[in-house]
Amino acid sequence: DIQLTQSPSSLSASVGDRVTITCRASQGIRNDLGWFQQKPGKAPKRLIYAASTLQSGVPSRFSGSGFGTDFTLTISSLQPEDFATYYCLQHNVYPNTFGQGTRLEIK
Amino acid sequence: QVQLVESGGGVVQPGRSLRLSCVTSGFSFSSYGMHWVRQAPGKGLEWVAFISHDGGKKYHADSVKGRFTISRDNSKSTLNLQMNSLRPDETAVYFCARGWTYSILSGYSYPFDHWGQGTLVTVSS
Repeated sequence: DIQLTQSPSSLSASVGDRVTITCRASQGIRNDLGWFQQKPGKAPKRLIYAASTLQSGVPSRFSGSGFGTDFTLTISSLQPEDFATYYCLQHNVYPNTFGQGTRLEIK
Repeated sequence: QVQLVESGGGVVQPGRSLRLSCVTSGFSFSSYGMHWVRQAPGKGLEWVAFISHDGGKKYHADSVKGRFTISRDNSKSTLNLQMNSLRPDETAVYFCARGWTYSILSGYSYPFDHWGQGTLVTVSS
């Protein structure tokens, strides 16, 4: 199975900060990776697909990059509504797998 | 608009069975693969199972293989998850999510773009 290692597992930041979350795959997955935001009690919401394509309706402050084994999610200027948990997901092979999550908290 | 609505959750004793359903609307269900994903209280997301658009291919996580079965009824635009021999550590919210599709006109569409709201399964005596 492909393991996805997200870092950091938690992060404290302030409104306006630039934040980067990384996701490393245990083997190459091309660009078969998505990033998801989840708020308490809600379903995950896809932000990025194909590693770097912004989901329609998602603010442009979110961006993704990477190919193969190393991926990043960047939020260029944190807004109050961005404080949530973020997950990466690979769908290159079955079983699909999620990273363990990054909890983004207000400093 | 695309909608996915799960049902069938509840409280069940360890070792017993439960069947979840995900009724969909707003898209051509029979053209899409579909997934189940779960989340234990306070924990991360765990992929559970996938079924291809026509039901011909199914994949299950090792943790549920042999006990859970994913299925679909394209005539009713409904996805199902039969869960047998449930264990207390499988207490979780279970989500259905739309998978990928491919068309000559639109090409490949990436999976997990739409999710249901989830249904809570509690395994407890």
